[in-house]
Order: sequence, then C-alpha cells, then structure tokens
Amino acid sequence: DGGITQSPKYLFRKEGQNVTLSCEQNLNHDAMYWYRQDPGQGLRLIYYSQIVNDFQKGDIAEGYSVSREKKESFPLTVTSAQKNPTAFYLCASSIARHGIYEQYFGPGTRLTVT
Amino acid sequence: LAKTTQPISMDSYEGQEVNITCSHNNIATNDYITWYQQFPSQGPRFIIQGYKTKVTNEVASLFIPADRKSSTLSLPRVSLSDTAVYYCLVGADNNAGNMLTFGGGTRLMVKP
Repeated sequence: DGGITQSPKYLFRKEGQNVTLSCEQNLNHDAMYWYRQDPGQGLRLIYYSQIVNDFQKGDIAEGYSVSREKKESFPLTVTSAQKNPTAFYLCASSIARHGIYEQYFGPGTRLTVT
Repeated sequence: LAKTTQPISMDSYEGQEVNITCSHNNIATNDYITWYQQFPSQGPRFIIQGYKTKVTNEVASLFIPADRKSSTLSLPRVSLSDTAVYYCLVGADNNAGNMLTFGGGTRLMVKP
C-alpha cells in the first residue's frame, strides 16, 4: 500500500527535551510538508521541502528543524526553543500533475510536552 | 496566497444536500480551488479541486462562478459520517512549491 506514515501516534516529553517526529512516504512524491494543528484551529505550515537536501521555512518555523536526506523521509525536530510545543503534527506530501495539486496527509502525531 | 473566508460551522440532517460557500476575492489567475475534509485526530483528506465552472466526482461537486471570487462545495445526501471540518484552499504551484494555506475551516455537524 502506498501512503504516508508518521510515528509514533502519541508522544510525551518533558519540557526542555528535543524530540524528533518521523515521516515516511512511499508515494514517490517530490514535495513534503510539516503542519501544526492546535485544538479547534486550522493547519499552520512549519517547513516544506520540494527536493532532497532542500527545505524552506513556513509560517511558524521558529523552534523547529527538519532534514531531507532522502526523498522518502522528512523528519521534524521540535527543539526546546519551541515555547508551546504541545500540538497535533501532520506530515504531507504532494506531486503536481497537469496543474492539479493534492496533498496527501499522514495520520498525525500528537505531541504532549509537560 | 489568496485568503479564504468560509462559515465557521453548519448544521444539517441526514439525507439533505449541504452547500458550503467559500469566498476568495483576491484569487490569482493561476490559482486552483481545493477542498479538504478532516475528521478529528486525522489528517485532512482531499475531496475535490477545480479551476472554473463545475467539477463533479463520486464524493462532491464544486461550483465556481465565472469571476472565481467564490466557490461552493456541494455534498449530496449527507450522512452522519460526513460530520467533519471542511477546508477551502486556494493556491498554485509557484516557485515556492505547492503552497496551500489552511484556514479555520467549516465544522459540519450532520444530525440524525
């Protein structure tokens, strides 16, 4: 089955610790994204990557870091500098074909920092 | 990126047709209009996308007037399982990639 996997589904960390969220896709998509969603809110873009070894900041990149060493993988690190890291994190990938753009989302990781 | 405005919430009953309208007054020439559906604690799912006039698939229809400043997602004969948040997005593949901006969405509640 092709798709996007995120692990783990739930993650608990102590304040001050860095934590890395995994995102893997086998859809052969070039672009990958990380979003953050707070309760009752829409999605906000953290980082995106169009090709391997390249990524760009989104609207709320402060306190986060990413890497894109392989096409299939786009891990997100939530650093201790992120002031309010508790949220639902969603990874997505996309391909453009004939002007139609769809983003395919993973199941999400719910991060709780105490 | 074009800003979108849609109702915060809507209620409906099973079997009814639901129309959710989205305003995007500053849509650009190369922007597409895309709708996503999101259930609680899940990632959004693509529903439908269009550029102009009408698009229909097995799930929904999308109506876009000639000026493209708004669009209407139509869900025929909704069921309880259609209770979800629906996002209207406007964007295009520019040099920054497939940048789509998710607003707050419309929370649809389908009642029995």
